[in-house]
Amino acid sequence: GAVVSQHPSWVICKSGTSVKIECRSLDFQATTMFWYRQFPKQSLMLMATSNEGSKATYEQGVEKDKFLINHASLTLSTLTVTSAHPEDSSFYICSATRLATDTQYFGPGTRLTVL
Amino acid sequence: GNSVTQMEGPVTLSEEAFLTINCTYTATGYPSLFWYVQYPGEGLQLLLKATKADDKGSNKGFEATYRKETTSFHLEKGSVQVSDSAVYFCALVDSGGYQKVTFGTGTKLQVIP
Repeated sequence: GAVVSQHPSWVICKSGTSVKIECRSLDFQATTMFWYRQFPKQSLMLMATSNEGSKATYEQGVEKDKFLINHASLTLSTLTVTSAHPEDSSFYICSATRLATDTQYFGPGTRLTVL
Repeated sequence: GNSVTQMEGPVTLSEEAFLTINCTYTATGYPSLFWYVQYPGEGLQLLLKATKADDKGSNKGFEATYRKETTSFHLEKGSVQVSDSAVYFCALVDSGGYQKVTFGTGTKLQVIP
């Protein structure tokens, strides 16, 4: 159990366009989902925390108008990178947790390349 | 604040060698401790965890013991395989941290035949 999927696994887009990444918990209800960004050969940087049905909480320095997060159901959260630019190119990883647990289950990641 | 410190890599070992990756932490509460593994081009997979002092997490031949007195959670494996080549992240979730994970910087392990 505790499988998290992401879609797409990779995406290439033109500068100025928007890209939506989906994160799904396949076999459990995720009360909280997290979005991370990982630069090459570096650790994960937490971007935001989202709870089902409420607004996401963004980490300091993360533009909430640029990285739109929606957590409309207990099994789905989406991250939309708006007006993407080459500097947004990165590996984006989501994770999900069950209520009152401390273990995060990670998705396989989405490689975004902005041309 | 919370922090996790891991030994720098890369660590290069021959197959069947003994592995230790050091991890120490600082936390304000009573954290749960984790090791995650990331294979090339993939997301993170939970390798093992320990939730209280003296607990030992184990999985796939890997072990780590929660040492409160030394604030450590070192990862060990008695005999590594080529397939263990990956990046290993030590992490903690503080008891009052609203499930936020604090990661170490990761240690790359390369196992050569």
